[in-house]
Amino acid sequence: DTAVSQTPKYLVTQMGNDKSIKCEQNLGHDTMYWYKQDSKKFLKIMFSYNNKELIINETVPNRFSPKSPDKAHLNLHINSLELGDSAVYFCASRGLAVTDTQYFGPGTRLTVL
Amino acid sequence: LAKTTQPISMDSYEGQEVNITCSHNNIATNDYITWYQQFPSQGPRFIIQGYKTKVTNEVASLFIPADRKSSTLSLPRVSLSDTAVYYCLLGGSGNTGKLIFGQGTTLQVKP
Repeated sequence: DTAVSQTPKYLVTQMGNDKSIKCEQNLGHDTMYWYKQDSKKFLKIMFSYNNKELIINETVPNRFSPKSPDKAHLNLHINSLELGDSAVYFCASRGLAVTDTQYFGPGTRLTVL
Repeated sequence: LAKTTQPISMDSYEGQEVNITCSHNNIATNDYITWYQQFPSQGPRFIIQGYKTKVTNEVASLFIPADRKSSTLSLPRVSLSDTAVYYCLLGGSGNTGKLIFGQGTTLQVKP
């Protein structure tokens, strides 16, 4: 079974549309994250939730809204998509111990036309 | 979180040992040093983590000097499939587990 899964894997859409990316983890972790990797391959953290509570919210446009219905899921909704939103979005999860590491999903490649 | 510096790229040949060094002069007392590997079109994958001295697992070794201002990831006998980007990160501790990724080191293994 896949530990951290994301859907869809590819997403192509027009500017101005609203889209969602879903993430699920079956590791029993309490903390989940969203990262964005742009064309220059830099990975930047966007959000983090711990047990459904937002704990990290980096400088991200408010068009991006994460939602955590339960601690196994962290979805990312993006309103009014812009060209600059094109990137690969990765979901990750982590346990609570200090030495716990993050497990990443396979990524969702978003292309805004 | 403290910044890390590592070479942008490295080349190697199959069967060689590869050492990638990361500088982190401002590492905090409670920071762990973690290395991730990323293949094209995949998410980063944890390789190894350490706090001080030497850590070894089935994939790699991590050498950390006493002052902890640098660390070296050692990959024994690399193969073509080890071609990837390798990230050195600090922190990840605490209840946020926040990680800051740098540009990583692109390792190209040649036949």
